[in-house]
Amino acid sequence: DSGVTQTPKHLITATGQRVTLRCSPRSGDLSVYWYQQSLDQGLQFLIQYYNGEERAKGNILERFSAQQFPDLHSELNLSSLELGDSALYFCASSPLGGLGDTQYFGPGTRLTVL
Amino acid sequence: GENVEQHPSTLSVQEGDSAVIKCTYSDSASNYFPWYKQELGKRPQLIIDIRSNVGEKKDQRIAVTLNKTAKHFSLHITETQPEDSAVYFCAASKQAGTALIFGKGTTLSVSS
Repeated sequence: DSGVTQTPKHLITATGQRVTLRCSPRSGDLSVYWYQQSLDQGLQFLIQYYNGEERAKGNILERFSAQQFPDLHSELNLSSLELGDSALYFCASSPLGGLGDTQYFGPGTRLTVL
Repeated sequence: GENVEQHPSTLSVQEGDSAVIKCTYSDSASNYFPWYKQELGKRPQLIIDIRSNVGEKKDQRIAVTLNKTAKHFSLHITETQPEDSAVYFCAASKQAGTALIFGKGTTLSVSS
């Protein structure tokens, strides 16, 4: 157990819908990262937050947004869902969000868009 | 941006043999290289990492080597066991605040 929690574990929804994925980092970690894992694209970095502020952005679609709250938990919002958004979404956390910080992954949320 | 290539995509070995997975990266500014192991349906777990001021690092049966000049790094697993069967990902990170760029993964199968 990494100490990073994610809810829900599974999510099944329809195209065009909107969902929210939630992540709680390890106690004391200030930085949260979101990754998408699909069969054809592998593990892709979406976005990083550090202490409530956006720190870095990767291949995140405009339909996706995220935020980190004062209690440091983070939410990833996915809207206007398409079939291709079906994937495993992982959250990771690290102490400071700096180079060499070990990133600890949560168990993931499996999103299925029908 | 950074690009990480990983080979091979699949690797089958006999129990007790060694396994080697290789990665190359494109951005010479990268200086942190972790390796993650992911079992089916589970989260990626860090197994070893190396920073650019070190050429080799070892932890029991696992070792990682880094060649900054050639921009490649490798994972070596000795005396493989069936429980080593999993997908292994290499990754690179180039500066503070930049997230990990992952390779496509290697599916390692260890047969007894």
